[in-house]
Amino acid sequence: DGGITQSPKYLFRKEGQNVTLSCEQNLNHDAMYWYRQDPGQGLRLIYYSQIVNDFQKGDIAEGYSVSREKKESFPLTVTSAQKNPTAFYLCASSLGLQGTIYFGEGSWLTVV
Amino acid sequence: GQQVMQIPQYQHVQEGEDFTTYCNSSTTLSNIQWYKQRPGGHPVFLIQLVKSGEVKKQKRLTFQFGEAKKNSSLHITATQTTDVGTYFCAGPRGSQGNLIFGKGTKLSVKP
Repeated sequence: DGGITQSPKYLFRKEGQNVTLSCEQNLNHDAMYWYRQDPGQGLRLIYYSQIVNDFQKGDIAEGYSVSREKKESFPLTVTSAQKNPTAFYLCASSLGLQGTIYFGEGSWLTVV
Repeated sequence: GQQVMQIPQYQHVQEGEDFTTYCNSSTTLSNIQWYKQRPGGHPVFLIQLVKSGEVKKQKRLTFQFGEAKKNSSLHITATQTTDVGTYFCAGPRGSQGNLIFGKGTKLSVKP
């Protein structure tokens, strides 16, 4: 099936630890995104990438890092510098920056 | 900076009542997209509007793009419990940029 696969779905992290969320797509999309969603909040853009080996900061990039070594993959690392990392993280992709966005099922990160 | 605003933030309706959510942009948009996120799920694309004054229908859902291409609305006729979720609008950042999402309208339907 074509789509976006995020893993893990649920993740617990101790304070001070880095954690990496995986995102893989087989839609052959050029653009990929990471969004953060908090209860009652909208979708806030963390990072996005238009092409392999290139990515741009979104609205809330501090405390996060990404890489885009392959077209299909766009992992997100939540670093210990992120002060309030507990949230629902959504990976997404689109053919172009203004195209229809397809979302993965999301990853729930809880800091304990 | 450019903003996309949605109202209301929450809407509680009785099943069978109508529902409308409004989306307003601080700048003219080349197009607007609507997404629905069911509780516990991920956003799913509903529709894209491109033309000034465009109206599109999907069964009980009616989408409208304003004449000035700065606002849009989603109207649901005779809501059902399956309509529960959060509805987001999204418009491009500038002429070439990525989509900016509104904060969404969370719809709850009482049976």
